[in-house]
Amino acid sequence: DAGVTQSPTHLIKTRGQQVTLRCSPKSGHDTVSWYQQALGQGPQFIFQYYEEEERQRGNFPDRFSGHQFPNYSSELNVNALLLGDSALYLCASSLAYGYTFGSGTRLTVV
Amino acid sequence: DAKTTQPPSMDCAEGRAANLPCNHSTISGNEYVYWYRQIHSQGPQYIIHGLKNNETNEMASLIITEDRKSSTLILPHATLRDTAVYYCIVRLSNSGYALNFGKGTSLLVTP
Repeated sequence: DAGVTQSPTHLIKTRGQQVTLRCSPKSGHDTVSWYQQALGQGPQFIFQYYEEEERQRGNFPDRFSGHQFPNYSSELNVNALLLGDSALYLCASSLAYGYTFGSGTRLTVV
Repeated sequence: DAKTTQPPSMDCAEGRAANLPCNHSTISGNEYVYWYRQIHSQGPQYIIHGLKNNETNEMASLIITEDRKSSTLILPHATLRDTAVYYCIVRLSNSGYALNFGKGTSLLVTP
């Protein structure tokens, strides 16, 4: 049974560019959450998607947006990248309250 | 969700029990205590959770004080592979929403 799959694993972008990160949830899970983890910090909640709608959002600017597809997979989009957006981006899927995390996408903005 | 306080780092000798404390003095009656850990370069992994009774599974034991203001995660026989950051999180079990990670405790298991 595949767990949460994220792609790509690493990428490098230039300031001002846009990036799209992808997440395939664990089989049977219908909810996807995204987290940002800066170096040395705990993960910070960005937003959660359920039934293709954003259900809850953390304290992140509108440059961060997302989407959930009918098959429950999800995308995280970040526009106008800043150097401070460099981080590990984690996707977590869940059914009820049990969360399963992917290994993340390491984004470096130069 | 209630706020938690954890020591920033701890050491433990391999084979010994690792006892990781967490304070959550503002916990409300219907909030659970969850523990996750994050091994370097991986996503967080669920360990255990509990409400008021002590809990045990194949990974760890969770001891919650009677007043529920603090708890201890116990890894009974720590191995080098248990070296990780451990996060204590307090939340409603059925909220289904964000996990509020703090900075956690960095546990180093030494040979």
